[in-house]
Amino acid sequence: KAGVTQTPRYLIKTRGQQVTLSCSPISGHRSVSWYQQTPGQGLQFLFEYFSETQRNKGNFPGRFSGRQFSNSRSEMNVSTLELGDSALYLCASSLSFYEQYFGPGTRLTVT
Amino acid sequence: DQQVKQNSPSLSVQEGRISILNCDYTNSMFDYFLWYKKYPAEGPTFLISISSIKDKNEDGRFTVFLNKSAKHLSLHIVPSQPGDSAVYFCAARSGGGADGLTFGKGTHLIIQP
Repeated sequence: KAGVTQTPRYLIKTRGQQVTLSCSPISGHRSVSWYQQTPGQGLQFLFEYFSETQRNKGNFPGRFSGRQFSNSRSEMNVSTLELGDSALYLCASSLSFYEQYFGPGTRLTVT
Repeated sequence: DQQVKQNSPSLSVQEGRISILNCDYTNSMFDYFLWYKKYPAEGPTFLISISSIKDKNEDGRFTVFLNKSAKHLSLHIVPSQPGDSAVYFCAARSGGGADGLTFGKGTHLIIQP
């Protein structure tokens, strides 16, 4: 069974721009979560989607948003990028809301 | 305020010996705990989990122990192998998954030959 895939793997953007990251979950998994990993803060929960509905949200500003499609694929969007948004963005899918399986991540660099 | 703490940033263990990675938590609402392994430039890989109704779970070379009264869990790897060298993250979740996974900062395990 194919794992979680994320595109693109690497991205360089300029401050003030917006970015959209994409995630395809493991087949059959309906829950998709997003995390941000930075050297200072570690892995932090952004939001979780299940059946196209946001189930919960972490403590991030409204510039961070996401959505899930009927095929369970998910996108996250960051608007008005700031230097501090440079991070590894990880997507995880789950069958049971407990064990989550992560993709390889998208490395976003904001200059 | 860190709700999940891994107090050892790094740990060095000889190949073939036991590796013990520790994790403490403060939120008594956590009822499910997981360990992940991460190599550079890759996403975390799920290793093993434990529900709060258990105190031990075993999967091959990996065993997780949970001490609810001490709010402490540990991951034992026996025997340690060179491929085990990676960063290990402890994570926790509350009932129903209300807040997503809360991660510790990780412990870098180095297996020495």
